[in-house]
Amino acid sequence: DVKVTQSSRYLVKRTGEKVFLECVQDMDHENMFWYRQDPGLGLRLIYFSYDVKMKEKGDIPEGYSVSREKKERFSLILESASTNQTSMYLCASSLLGGGSNQPQHFGDGTRLSIL
Amino acid sequence: SQQGEEDPQALSIQEGENATMNCSYKTSINNLQWYRQNSGRGLVHLILIRSNEREKHSGRLRVTLDTSKKSSSLLITASRAADTASYFCAESGAGTYKYIFGTGTRLKVLA
Repeated sequence: DVKVTQSSRYLVKRTGEKVFLECVQDMDHENMFWYRQDPGLGLRLIYFSYDVKMKEKGDIPEGYSVSREKKERFSLILESASTNQTSMYLCASSLLGGGSNQPQHFGDGTRLSIL
Repeated sequence: SQQGEEDPQALSIQEGENATMNCSYKTSINNLQWYRQNSGRGLVHLILIRSNEREKHSGRLRVTLDTSKKSSSLLITASRAADTASYFCAESGAGTYKYIFGTGTRLKVLA
């Protein structure tokens, strides 16, 4: 089975801190995604990557950046955390072949609180 | 917002009954996928239906797609308490790796 592992289930940080959320997948998937999930808003795409060192902005990239130095690891960075970035963050991966016909595999999420 | 919407937002049924959830999407899709999310966990892929398909089955799941109405429905037959979860549809257009998720339906199956 595909395993997508997010480094922390719960994280509490302070306003203005630089925050790193890590995600690792073990199935050699080309595509990796970061979403945030808020009540009543569903999942919103922050960034995605289709190859090492490649990234594309999603729908809500402001205040975030990403890093993909190795195929299996995709990091989300909050440059200067703010309280409106308190949310559940979900990482996902999928195969490249067939484009969006591939299912996404999700990690269990990181619930991030910014105080 | 490009997000689709699920209907109803919440659904409560007795074990053994059928549960139907509907999804309205916005784009010209290549395919539409359904996912389940248990409380506090990530999403799990359930089923994918392509734009040229009208119906698809997987075990107790039945998905229909009406591209003229830009809608899809997920039917869970003979529901179980373990089906209690949130269910999301995700639309994807041609030539993109992006998925647009709906806002979800919270299903509660009472034992």
